[in-house]
Amino acid sequence: RKEVEQDPGPFNVPEGATVAFNCTYSNSASQSFFWYRQDCRKEPKLLMSVYSSGNEDGRFTAQLNRASQYISLLIRDSKLSDSATYLCVVNMSPGGGNKLTFGTGTQLKVEL
Amino acid sequence: DGGITQSPKYLFRKEGQNVTLSCEQNLNHDAMYWYRQDPGQGLRLIYYSQIVNDFQKGDIAEGYSVSREKKESFPLTVTSAQKNPTAFYLCASSMQRDTEAFFGQGTRLTVV
Repeated sequence: RKEVEQDPGPFNVPEGATVAFNCTYSNSASQSFFWYRQDCRKEPKLLMSVYSSGNEDGRFTAQLNRASQYISLLIRDSKLSDSATYLCVVNMSPGGGNKLTFGTGTQLKVEL
Repeated sequence: DGGITQSPKYLFRKEGQNVTLSCEQNLNHDAMYWYRQDPGQGLRLIYYSQIVNDFQKGDIAEGYSVSREKKESFPLTVTSAQKNPTAFYLCASSMQRDTEAFFGQGTRLTVV
């Protein structure tokens, strides 16, 4: 089983749609979780951290389910500019430290 | 402006030559990382360092070497022992303990 697993997509959705991505992780001791966005041939950029209580930033909502070991990202009212690859990131280090493990990413294409 | 600087952006080398990729940060971050990304794939961890003069192997360290003599700098050497060095190399840094990482713009290395 991969340490961090995502559906690669692509998810092709019309503008204005709501889309959700899931990501599963293998290490139950993982302490921190993030979603990054990566545009084609660019570096990943932090989209949002994922907190135990869930968090929302505008059209984006992230949630964590520790019991089932997955995190999710919900994008409402999709824009053309949301087209990118979304990377799930988990801190896999036991006992602190900071070894970040990336999923392979889910590709989103928002269309007119 | 604070940030992470990778240089050069594009690099071409002949097979059998060692090459060193530069990564400098002025964010006063303790931890630094090197990742490799191949087309259509996720990021794989090569090496990471949580403090000056200390570093650990990641998942694909063979054929690579690093040093961390200064907090600001974490250069990566791609040696001739690396079988498939052509890739997109990304450097990142973060504060210690479960915090998000910030990336440089990457170096595209092509070995011919």
